[in-house]
Amino acid sequence: DAGITQSPRHKVTETGTPVTLRCHQTENHRYMYWYRQDPGHGLRLIHYSYGVKDTDKGEVSDGYSVSRSKTEDFLLTLESATSSQTSVYFCAISQEGRAGELFFGEGSRLTVL
Amino acid sequence: KQEVTQIPAALSVPEGENLVLNCSFTDSAIYNLQWFRQDPGKGLTSLLLIQSSQREQTSGRLNASLDKSSGRSTLYIAASQPGDSATYLCAVRPGRGGADGLTFGKGTHLIIQP
Repeated sequence: DAGITQSPRHKVTETGTPVTLRCHQTENHRYMYWYRQDPGHGLRLIHYSYGVKDTDKGEVSDGYSVSRSKTEDFLLTLESATSSQTSVYFCAISQEGRAGELFFGEGSRLTVL
Repeated sequence: KQEVTQIPAALSVPEGENLVLNCSFTDSAIYNLQWFRQDPGKGLTSLLLIQSSQREQTSGRLNASLDKSSGRSTLYIAASQPGDSATYLCAVRPGRGGADGLTFGKGTHLIIQP
């Protein structure tokens, strides 16, 4: 168990509203990631973090921002949600001591109406 | 840009059979390759991690091989069971390792018939 908790697990919102998803880890791992999973596209990297206040963009970062003010928390924000952002969002951490193996949270299902 | 392809997209076999899932990637400069399992509505469970310098890894009935030069990996499942039914995902990490995230294939949906 990599000690990853995502919240909320399910959310329904309306177009144009802001949404924040939270990823919390309990083991002080340096690297954290946000992915989205969509039918036909698989898993795609949105943003990642390599330390407190150190973040970078992934493949599909448009429309998303992230913040990491504490080692244990990585927040994903949709400033103004659109229907194309309806997806399942997964947080992951990388355990450096295990040769870079990634472990994933249970996911957050977001529906934008 | 790295691309990962998994063949077949879906597979249905009777219980007890040995089977092979295939994964190919276009850029051989990888740091490692990881196989995951995903059950419906759930997160990803890490099955095996192969470093770029390794040829294979084993865990129980699972064996994963890596041929980096040809851009291929296989996941071998021995004596399949209905509980093995899931989607299996292959993912590669770029050659630098570090913070770089994984690039995923779209998965193989596996059904083991009792």
